Amino acid sequence: GQNIDQPTEMTATEGAIVQINCTYQTSGFNGLFWYQQHAGEAPTFLSYNVLDGLEEKGRFSSFLSRSKGYSYLLLKELQMKDSASYLCAVTDSNYQLIWGAGTKLIIKP
Amino acid sequence: NAGVTQTPKFRVLKTGQSMTLLCAQDMNHEYMYWYRQDPGMGLRLIHYSVGEGTTAKGEVPDGYNVSRLKKQNFLLGLESAAPSQTSVYFCASSTGVSGANVLTFGAGSRLTVL
Repeated sequence: GQNIDQPTEMTATEGAIVQINCTYQTSGFNGLFWYQQHAGEAPTFLSYNVLDGLEEKGRFSSFLSRSKGYSYLLLKELQMKDSASYLCAVTDSNYQLIWGAGTKLIIKP
Repeated sequence: NAGVTQTPKFRVLKTGQSMTLLCAQDMNHEYMYWYRQDPGMGLRLIHYSVGEGTTAKGEVPDGYNVSRLKKQNFLLGLESAAPSQTSVYFCASSTGVSGANVLTFGAGSRLTVL
């Protein structure tokens, strides 16, 4: 079966750095997405990786290793507004999106 | 530019009642999707549409029906609601299928079935 694993919850301190991991086992691979979802709101697109390596976008970076079936989202200089759930999703060989359950990130002052 | 709009935002139903969720997008997107989101689980695809007049089943289609009579609208129907359909429903749209297919989501519709 297809599976995406992320930690359920993480806690970090304002101003610090946090890394949210995502491992996947899917039938084929056509890209990996990270979405941010604040409580009670819609998911919004953060990043997309299809090749190995690091993609940097301001305070957020996303890394992909296709051989290891592994990605992480790195958030720097954490702000209180970063408190949200972070969803990892993979596009499989049929271009179907497979979603992880999400990681709830709690930022403490 | 409204993006993706869902109505209603909240609804309480009794078991056996029917209802329709409406999704409208103003981005001229070809693809539209209905997902449900439950605690501890990833988003699960109910039905989707690759263009006006077309619909297809997703991962969890049972108990739901959909219609896409106009390109901008995608309706999700529950013919006979069950408590297991208590969930948050998200509509999304995208330009098409590809690896880099970014979805734009609506704000969600919270449905409770008693």
